[in-house]
Amino acid sequence: DIQMTQSPSFLSASLGNSITITCHASQNIKGWLAWYQQKSGNAPELLIYKASSLQSGVPSRFSGSGSGTDYILTISNLQPEDIATYYCQHYQSFPLTFGAGTKLELK
Amino acid sequence: EVQLQQSGPELRRPGSSVKLSCKASGYSITDYLMHWVKHRPEHGLEWIGWIDPEDGETKYAQKFQSKATLTADTSSNTAYMQLSSLTSEDTATYFCAKTTTGVMDAWGQGASVTVSS
Repeated sequence: DIQMTQSPSFLSASLGNSITITCHASQNIKGWLAWYQQKSGNAPELLIYKASSLQSGVPSRFSGSGSGTDYILTISNLQPEDIATYYCQHYQSFPLTFGAGTKLELK
Repeated sequence: EVQLQQSGPELRRPGSSVKLSCKASGYSITDYLMHWVKHRPEHGLEWIGWIDPEDGETKYAQKFQSKATLTADTSSNTAYMQLSSLTSEDTATYFCAKTTTGVMDAWGQGASVTVSS
């Protein structure tokens, strides 16, 4: 199974700032990586797929990058509605696995 | 508009089973795989498996091989997941999610299962 190591687990940031979350795969996932946002009590929502493609309707302040085993989610100009937990997920092969999540809070 | 409407919260005794539903609207469930995901706040998200509603083919994560059974009823455009031999470890919120090439691009609202004596 491919293991996804996500960091940090918790992140505190100020409105208007930029943040980055990283995800490391235990083997090359060839860009088959998605990022999801989960607000408390709600279903996750797809933000980014194929490492850097923005899902329709997602604000452009969200961006993804990376290749091989290492990937980054960047949120620019942090807004109050961005407070959530973020997960990476590979879809290179089965079983699909998620990172452990990054909980983002306002400083 | 694609929507996935899941069944309501469930309370079960240990050792019993539960069957959750996920009714799709805005598309035919035979067009895409349906995945199921488990969420516990302290454990994050876990992939359970998928079903191809067109032919009933399923694939499970090894951990859920004996725990979950995925089915689908194309006449009602609904997917189902049955969880058996429930324990406290099965207390969680379960999501169905439509996928396009492995990416979960539409999710149900989640169904809470509580296992308690």
